Amino acid sequence: GQNIDQPTEMTATEGAIVQINCTYQTSGFNGLFWYQQHAGEAPTFLSYNVLDGLEEKGRFSSFLSRSKGYSYLLLKELQMKDSASYLCAVKDSNYQLIWGAGTKLIIKP
Amino acid sequence: GAVVSQHPSWVICKSGTSVKIECRSLDFQATTMFWYRQFPKQSLMLMATSNEGSKATYEQGVEKDKFLINHASLTLSTLTVTSAHPEDSSFYICSATTSGDTGELFFGEGSRLTVL
Repeated sequence: GQNIDQPTEMTATEGAIVQINCTYQTSGFNGLFWYQQHAGEAPTFLSYNVLDGLEEKGRFSSFLSRSKGYSYLLLKELQMKDSASYLCAVKDSNYQLIWGAGTKLIIKP
Repeated sequence: GAVVSQHPSWVICKSGTSVKIECRSLDFQATTMFWYRQFPKQSLMLMATSNEGSKATYEQGVEKDKFLINHASLTLSTLTVTSAHPEDSSFYICSATTSGDTGELFFGEGSRLTVL
């Protein structure tokens, strides 16, 4: 079966750095997405990786290793507004999006 | 970026009634729209994939006669929850893609349905 694993919840301190990991087992791979979702709101796009390596976008970076079936989202200089759920999603060989359950990130002052 | 608008944001209805949720792509043509359901503290669950001018493709376990999807134009898809029951109470989210199979998804604001 297809599976996306990410931690259920993480806690970090304002101003610090946090890394949210995502491992996947899917039938084929056509890209990995990270989305941010605040409580009660729809997800918003953060990043897309299809090749191995690090993609940096401001305070957020996303890394992909296709051989390991692994990605992480790195958040730097954490702000209180970064408290949200972070969803990892992978497009399989049929271009179907397989969603992880999300990681709830709690930022403490 | 592309904008997807969903309406209504909140809806409360009585058990047995039907509710329609609209999803519009405001500044692009969406050949494919997706409908998701999300229960509290759970991930998005794809309900169906909607292609303009054709019948929607429903995921396993989703009743197509209960969740009617119409994608009549390149900018509008609707989801109608027929004969709603309290267990249908959920957060329904639509999304659309601008290009092909690898395009980024743009999400609507979501619609929170509460069935009394």
